Amino acid sequence: SAVISQKPSRDICQRGTSLTIQCQVDSQVTMMFWYRQQPGQSLTLIATANQGSEATYESGFVIDKFPISRPNLTFSTLTVSNMSPEDSSIYLCSVEDEEGYGYTFGSGTRLTVV
Amino acid sequence: DAKTTQPPSMDCAEGRAANLPCNHSTISGNEYVYWYRQIHSQGPQYIIHGLKNNETNEMASLIITEDRKSSTLILPHATLRDTAVYYCIVRVYGYSGGGADGLTFGKGTHLIIQP
Repeated sequence: SAVISQKPSRDICQRGTSLTIQCQVDSQVTMMFWYRQQPGQSLTLIATANQGSEATYESGFVIDKFPISRPNLTFSTLTVSNMSPEDSSIYLCSVEDEEGYGYTFGSGTRLTVV
Repeated sequence: DAKTTQPPSMDCAEGRAANLPCNHSTISGNEYVYWYRQIHSQGPQYIIHGLKNNETNEMASLIITEDRKSSTLILPHATLRDTAVYYCIVRVYGYSGGGADGLTFGKGTHLIIQP
């Protein structure tokens, strides 16, 4: 299965600023997925990123707040914009496993907004 | 994707078998049962999946009832490192060829292995 690297692994940011999270995959993949995991909660899908097209956002998530780039088949970024303490979460990227085993996840970015 | 129901938490003694139940009464004929786990501060990890036959791999066994409305994940000899949140998810099997929708996670079962 694919190997995913996420950067940064954690960060502490001031409210009102933005943070860009990077996701690098060791193989070419069609779709990349971004999730949010709020403290003590399960994972929630933010958006799906397909190379060469606009990301598709889930209900409750908007492009102005979570802009996504997908410049090629191995890389994507998620930006958390104009952050507030409510954005403190773990953000994870994921790709679909082409052998049918479901999905592979990165280790996540733990974001704390102060 | 069909909805699943899992107990919020379970305890198991180290070295014993951990049996984690999952109800998925609305599962469709073409949906498989997948299990993932999330160890603290890590991303979810694939464990096993199955359609209707029992499955076993190096990590666990999966028992699916004949009517496919429920399943049990079995960790045969639990260790402290198996302490994690376990998610049961049903979805259509296989690589979508680029049309996948992502996963819908429930609350999962927090399994605590006691020394």
